[in-house]
Amino acid sequence: NAGVMQNPRHLVRRRGQEARLRCSPMKGHSHVYWYRQLPEEGLKFMVYLQKENIIDESGMPKERFSAEFPKEGPSILRIQQVVRGDSAAYFCASSKKRADQNTEAFFGQGTRLTVV
Amino acid sequence: GQSLEQPSEVTAVEGAIVQINCTYQTSGFYGLSWYQQHDGGAPTFLSYNALDGLEETGRFSSFLSRSDSYGYLLLQELQMKDSASYFCAVREYRGYTDKLIFGTGTRLQVFP
Repeated sequence: NAGVMQNPRHLVRRRGQEARLRCSPMKGHSHVYWYRQLPEEGLKFMVYLQKENIIDESGMPKERFSAEFPKEGPSILRIQQVVRGDSAAYFCASSKKRADQNTEAFFGQGTRLTVV
Repeated sequence: GQSLEQPSEVTAVEGAIVQINCTYQTSGFYGLSWYQQHDGGAPTFLSYNALDGLEETGRFSSFLSRSDSYGYLLLQELQMKDSASYFCAVREYRGYTDKLIFGTGTRLQVFP
């Protein structure tokens, strides 16, 4: 059973370009979460999705950032018109059940975005 | 709002025991988790406490006191490979949302 798969592992973009980050959850997992981690900092929640639905996007910047989890295919985190401050590691996590059913979240290896 | 506080750094020698504390303020609390992250790596799950008390998994143990909004991770028989960052996280569930809120992280350095 493959773990959470993220690609690309490393992504370099020039200011103003678009970045698309992909995440395939573990098999059987329908809950996907995106987190951002700046150097030497903790993980900041961005968005929680289930298939075809955004459940909680309270951590997403209001502009330039969007996320989706289509019926078929991976979850996508999209950053338009990137700026240097977007440089960070972006982690995706998936879980099988909700919090009240006591289960852990599994993380992918992350995508390290560098904006030059 | 939610917040979790951890010491920023802890150092210890091989074979020693170290305790990493975590205090939290949050609503919709459903348990305290601990994750380990090596430099450049992914966070990996270590333990989860939903109820008060101590959970033991090999060399690692985790404790929770819900009345004190406090928990800790205890690492015994430290090894060099335990050098990493350790994050406590609260699973926040409010009926419509479900997410992990992470602490600031504690960087553990193990010396020979």
